[in-house]
Amino acid sequence: QKEVEQDPGPLSVPEGAIVSLNCTYSNSAFQYFMWYRQYSRKGPELLMYTYSSGNKEDGRFTAQVDKSSKYISLFIRDSQPSDSATYLCAMSRTGFQKLVFGTGTRLLVSP
Amino acid sequence: SQTIHQWPATLVQPVGSPLSLECTVEGTSNPNLYWYRQAAGRGLQLLFYSVGIGQISSEVPQNLSASRPQDRQFILSSKKLLLSDSGFYLCARDSQGTRSEQYFGPGTRLTVT
Repeated sequence: QKEVEQDPGPLSVPEGAIVSLNCTYSNSAFQYFMWYRQYSRKGPELLMYTYSSGNKEDGRFTAQVDKSSKYISLFIRDSQPSDSATYLCAMSRTGFQKLVFGTGTRLLVSP
Repeated sequence: SQTIHQWPATLVQPVGSPLSLECTVEGTSNPNLYWYRQAAGRGLQLLFYSVGIGQISSEVPQNLSASRPQDRQFILSSKKLLLSDSGFYLCARDSQGTRSEQYFGPGTRLTVT
């Protein structure tokens, strides 16, 4: 079993839809959780960073961590064609620990 | 701002040839630096990380090596490339505070023919 599981997609939605992207993990020691956006042929860009459980909101993006279920989510409101990219989740146990990445979910937002 | 530069952006090399990829970081001192490889349709594989000049930790045994000759310079090398070395190579640094989140450079796309 992989430490971090992420559905590869692709997930296709119309413009304006609410998007939900998810990762599950097996290691209960993970405390730091990140979401990255990666456009084709570009380096990943850090979108959201959360520590421990709870929600964090930044504009159209909301990151949610449920440590009891070992489940993290990224919600995108009012999705735009420019949101079309691969979204990677990542997590680590403590500061300066190796990040463990999901394989990424490809999102396609059609106009 | 803290910027990561990588070059070259793309590279096509024959099997058996040497490799040198360079990563430099601006706007920060004493960063922890990382080399990742991303194969097509797959996740990020950590190859090496460095906590300081001359300090390299290897995560995956293979024909690649890394060096850190200066605080803000990280180099990935190979003496003889294999077909399986093809991929997207990413350099990253971590944050100055918690050292938990990482920031990536633009990447180098390597094709071994």
